Amino acid sequence: DAMVIQNPRYQVTQFGKPVTLSCSQTLNHNVMYWYQQKSSQAPKLLFHYYDKDFNNEADTPDNFQSRRPNTSFCFLDIRSPGLGDAAMYLCATSRDRRSPGDEQFFGPGTRLTVL
Amino acid sequence: QKEVEQNSGPLSVPEGAIASLNCTYSDRVSQSFFWYRQYSGKSPELIMSIYSNGDKEDGRFTAQLNKASQYVSLLIRDSQPSDSATYLCAVNKNTGNQFYFGTGTSLTVIP
Repeated sequence: DAMVIQNPRYQVTQFGKPVTLSCSQTLNHNVMYWYQQKSSQAPKLLFHYYDKDFNNEADTPDNFQSRRPNTSFCFLDIRSPGLGDAAMYLCATSRDRRSPGDEQFFGPGTRLTVL
Repeated sequence: QKEVEQNSGPLSVPEGAIASLNCTYSDRVSQSFFWYRQYSGKSPELIMSIYSNGDKEDGRFTAQLNKASQYVSLLIRDSQPSDSATYLCAVNKNTGNQFYFGTGTSLTVIP
């Protein structure tokens, strides 16, 4: 089945210790997104890739970086996690951001805990 | 002003009743509208999309869109306890990439 996969599902890191979250997709979608979602809040878009074109949201902290080495994979790097970065991180894909009716599909998420 | 506004609830309905969830959006250029269901600790799951004014039905779910009023709603008929979740409204302007999410409405269906 075509899907969006995230690894790991649960990640525990120490304050200030770099961490990388991964996302892969078998949908062959052009666009991949990273969201941060804290409890009882809406998903907050961090950045997205349209193919290799990287788009950073204006309010995404510099502490967050992303890489997309190929169509299928996208990584979220948190260089120095703080306690405030503990959240669910959601990867999503869509076929083409400019296409009317384009739908977004989410992976299962990675729950990040910062000690 | 937030791009998408939802009543956070909680909304409680008895089993078998109709649950009505509402969403308003601020930008008239918005083109595509989505309803996601999110169970606690899980990722959002797409349940309905709507692009044209009027109603769109899919099983027990009906999405309603009124672009003049900048309003989109979701009706769940014959509500089941398994429908208990947070429902997120999302909007896409189709002028870029952003999907704007509301904070969600928590629905509890009481057996």
